[in-house]
Amino acid sequence: KNEVEQSPQNLTAQEGEFITINCSYSVGISALHWLQQHPGGGIVSLFMLSSGKKKHGRLIATINIQEKHSSLHITASHPRDSAVYICAVRSGNTGNQFYFGTGTSLTVIP
Amino acid sequence: NAGVTQTPKFRVLKTGQSMTLLCAQDMNHEYMYWYRQDPGMGLRLIHYSVGEGTTAKGEVPDGYNVSRLKKQNFLLGLESAAPSQTSVYFCASSYPLSSQYFGPGTRLTVT
Repeated sequence: KNEVEQSPQNLTAQEGEFITINCSYSVGISALHWLQQHPGGGIVSLFMLSSGKKKHGRLIATINIQEKHSSLHITASHPRDSAVYICAVRSGNTGNQFYFGTGTSLTVIP
Repeated sequence: NAGVTQTPKFRVLKTGQSMTLLCAQDMNHEYMYWYRQDPGMGLRLIHYSVGEGTTAKGEVPDGYNVSRLKKQNFLLGLESAAPSQTSVYFCASSYPLSSQYFGPGTRLTVT
């Protein structure tokens, strides 16, 4: 069973394109997180959302609690955005359990 | 300010051997977590701790033990390593209900 599903699994884009990565989840949550995993393996937290929309630079994250869906958008994509993007949800029951998607591998071509 | 550090970075074990992975954080976070990451699967929670002296099981705790004797350290132990425990292990820490900070990972191979 996969509590968190992401699409697409792999994505290749030309530099400058607008990118959307989707995340759907099946459990009750207290928050949703978007993470970035660099080619070297390091993981960085990008956003934590419990409602609405957040923006940081060229990255925008949205969440629809009723539909149990979130999207991560990258505007004006750049080769340095190439990474694996991971959606994770914090369980609503205890708030201590996290469930992770398998990630979306993004390659931005110059 | 080193953030979250993990030692060792790489390790090769023979089946049946034991080892301890150390996670240390200098951000005074209450919560600490151990995950494993396998190809084609998302990160999976092994054990976590919500404070010094407390630990709890996550999604895949079998074959692992943990201890949190000091707030800044979270140890993951493998008593008798198995090939199925070949993985990349990540430690993370956070304030309650906040974003996690991840360590650089430990690549473990069990032969």
